[in-house]
Amino acid sequence: NAGVMQNPRHLVRRRGQEARLRCSPMKGHSHVYWYRQLPEEGLKFMVYLQKENIIDESGMPKERFSAEFPKEGPSILRIQQVVRGDSAAYFCASSPLGQGAYSGNTIYFGEGSWLTVV
Amino acid sequence: KQEVTQIPAALSVPEGENLVLNCSFTDSAIYNLQWFRQDPGKGLTSLLLIQSSQREQTSGRLNASLDKSSGRSTLYIAASQPGDSATYLCAVNTGNQFYFGTGTSLTVIP
Repeated sequence: NAGVMQNPRHLVRRRGQEARLRCSPMKGHSHVYWYRQLPEEGLKFMVYLQKENIIDESGMPKERFSAEFPKEGPSILRIQQVVRGDSAAYFCASSPLGQGAYSGNTIYFGEGSWLTVV
Repeated sequence: KQEVTQIPAALSVPEGENLVLNCSFTDSAIYNLQWFRQDPGKGLTSLLLIQSSQREQTSGRLNASLDKSSGRSTLYIAASQPGDSATYLCAVNTGNQFYFGTGTSLTVIP
């Protein structure tokens, strides 16, 4: 049973370009979470999605950032017009069908996508 | 707003020592608390999950305790090994999200 798969693992973008980060949850998981880890800081929640729905996006910056989790395919975190301050590790996590954050079950993290903006 | 603090920020111990990592949180209204391990350039590996109704959990050489009323958790590592060297993160689940501490960087010296 493959774990949470994230790609690309490393991404370099020039200022002003777009970055797309993909996350395939574990098999049977329909809840996806995105977290960001800035250098020297802890992980910060960005967004919680279920299939075709955004449940909580209270941690998402108001501009340039968007996330989706379509009926088919991976979840996508999209960052438009990247700036140097977007350089960070972006982690995706998932939890099982019908068992979101309220269930008390653990969530499983991917290996992360490291974005560098030059 | 929930805030999670981990002390110490860094710890260096000789192999074989027992050690304690501390985590404190400001809002006791949590569903559970989870300890993770993070190796450099890697993702997070879940070590122990403690439900809000539980006092402790054990897995091998690891024991985690939770005192929800005082907003504290400890992770006890027995007989430390060089392979335990990593950053240990504490996270509290308040519903839709986990709030993370900034971690304790542990180095176990052979």
